[in-house]
Amino acid sequence: ILNVEQSPQSLHVQEGDSTNFTCSFPSSNFYALHWYRWETAKSPEALFVMTLNGDEKKKGRISATLNTKEGYSYLYIKGSQPEDSATYLCAFFNDYKLSFGAGTTVTVRA
Amino acid sequence: SAVISQKPSRDICQRGTSLTIQCQVDSQVTMMFWYRQQPGQSLTLIATANQGSEATYESGFVIDKFPISRPNLTFSTLTVSNMSPEDSSIYLCSVEDQTLTEGYTFGSGTRLTVV
Repeated sequence: ILNVEQSPQSLHVQEGDSTNFTCSFPSSNFYALHWYRWETAKSPEALFVMTLNGDEKKKGRISATLNTKEGYSYLYIKGSQPEDSATYLCAFFNDYKLSFGAGTTVTVRA
Repeated sequence: SAVISQKPSRDICQRGTSLTIQCQVDSQVTMMFWYRQQPGQSLTLIATANQGSEATYESGFVIDKFPISRPNLTFSTLTVSNMSPEDSSIYLCSVEDQTLTEGYTFGSGTRLTVV
């Protein structure tokens, strides 16, 4: 069982504020790190697939960075909006399997 | 990317009974995955289902408890057998990302409550 940890477990953000949270994963045998957004009553939605050390990816107001040598990734939300409220999952990809962290649940207050 | 239809979306079941969850994909895929999320826990892989072969179960999951069918390249079922309250979870199916760049696609989940 791979140890993928996310911190914090939950956070509350005021609308318009920016926030970030972390995912730590094994630094050995790295192939890829995935980020997903999971809104209540919906399917988890892929945000990013990150493969290279130093990778930075961006989708709208959401971005992510990757450090494979030290085994962590940050997800950033700039100018949070109520529609950003969701659980954000990271997953370590190896041998076609995903090992998920427990997620960070973001609640954006209007 | 693929589109997955998962049924049922939720169910409340009596202990000792079984529930079969279905996933239909709109394209042919080699691997389908079944996950479980127990309350407060992370998504955990139950098994990988390949068409034409037995499913491969992860540690802690057995075929007698979670039999899986994969009759063709677009469909799979997971049965939760002889249910107990500890089986109350969200169950999700997923298919591989064949490009390895877009991320996996998930069904909308089955929220199961065992009473």
